[in-house]
Amino acid sequence: GQNIDQPTEMTATEGAIVQINCTYQTSGFNGLFWYQQHAGEAPTFLSYNVLDGLEEKGRFSSFLSRSKGYSYLLLKELQMKDSASYLCAVREGDYKLSFGAGTTVTVRA
Amino acid sequence: IAGITQAPTSQILAAGRRMTLRCTQDMRHNAMYWYRQDLGLGLRLIHYSNTAGTTGKGEVPDGYSVSRANTDDFPLTLASAVPSQTSVYFCASSEGGSGANVLTFGAGSRLTVL
Repeated sequence: GQNIDQPTEMTATEGAIVQINCTYQTSGFNGLFWYQQHAGEAPTFLSYNVLDGLEEKGRFSSFLSRSKGYSYLLLKELQMKDSASYLCAVREGDYKLSFGAGTTVTVRA
Repeated sequence: IAGITQAPTSQILAAGRRMTLRCTQDMRHNAMYWYRQDLGLGLRLIHYSNTAGTTGKGEVPDGYSVSRANTDDFPLTLASAVPSQTSVYFCASSEGGSGANVLTFGAGSRLTVL
């Protein structure tokens, strides 16, 4: 099984940077994913890390340390539309993807 | 538009009734999944299918059954609904196999069991 922890809520100001941390415990790590979910909508894919290091994709970056069981999602130049829940998910094997409870980010003007 | 279609969008159901949530994808993805999402608990895997003709149990399979007769369809059945099955249900699909294997989600089905 897996244990995935991430903060419940974070608040930041428009234009700022926010870092969402995720820690996990798993017996068969095969990738870490970040998804974004706006209220009332389906989750959408943001990033994927399977090797240690930083993956950058525009304003969003994701970092992974497999030895520490740790990842973070970095959101830069925050915009109002970034207000959403951010879900950390860990895969075991080829198919089983387990999700954390999600971090709700509120961006204030 | 390619993607995943779920039906119904929303349903209120009396306890003890049978209910099937439908899921169809047109991306020719090999793998399909059913998750439920509850406040404070996040998404939890109910059942999954690696390929047509095979299914597997996820984290919370009790009270649910699935079938995968073909590549496109993956219905989820509640044989006798109970109030604890009130939730938002998301169907998802992925190419399967090794690699990123990114999940694409449907819009969700909101189920209320009274």
